[in-house]
Amino acid sequence: GQQLNQSPQSMFIQEGEDVSMNCTSSSIFNTWLWYKQDPGEGPVLLIALYKAGELTSNGRLTAQFGITRKDSFLNISASIPSDVGIYFCAGTANAGGTSYGKLTFGQGTILTVHP
Amino acid sequence: SQTIHQWPATLVQPVGSPLSLECTVEGTSNPNLYWYRQAAGRGLQLLFYSVGIGQISSEVPQNLSASRPQDRQFILSSKKLLLSDSGFYLCAWKVRYLPESPGDTQYFGPGTRLTVL
Repeated sequence: GQQLNQSPQSMFIQEGEDVSMNCTSSSIFNTWLWYKQDPGEGPVLLIALYKAGELTSNGRLTAQFGITRKDSFLNISASIPSDVGIYFCAGTANAGGTSYGKLTFGQGTILTVHP
Repeated sequence: SQTIHQWPATLVQPVGSPLSLECTVEGTSNPNLYWYRQAAGRGLQLLFYSVGIGQISSEVPQNLSASRPQDRQFILSSKKLLLSDSGFYLCAWKVRYLPESPGDTQYFGPGTRLTVL
């Protein structure tokens, strides 16, 4: 089955720094999603990407759907303490109803922000 | 707006006891529903998904089962819990495919922390 390689596994940064994380796949994905999970809670959707080359922003967050359809990155600018958490990439290899929307997840990036 | 609920929030059960976790979705109809398990705060493993009432697909062989007795209700069960069933269980939903809404965005519930002793 499909696998997503997410890196880095963890990051320790100072408040105000920019953050970059990425996901790569050996197969083509048609949807890329980025989620953030706080301890003890469910993942919350940050950004959804549906087209190759698409660049989308959500406040201080920016994500791109790689042109090869095999990768995606998430950038966080000017990090703040509340950015702490686990960030997951996820994607589907087949668009629409035929895949039943099953997602493949990366292993997550643990972000720690020092004030 | 749509909301998704899970209960209980936490559960501590002895080995060999039964399990029933419930998930309900409000504000949408005919959703696809999913059960995931997350171990040690990393990586989500898809356990089951459902595209309609009574329709359940299992992704991995295990000690668990799922049922969908109503359109917006998804239940995760076990007859006898194992120690390895401990984890964080997440339910998610997605809009049934619409041509004007491409993509497979899933929305997650708050989760149930299960500890089997």
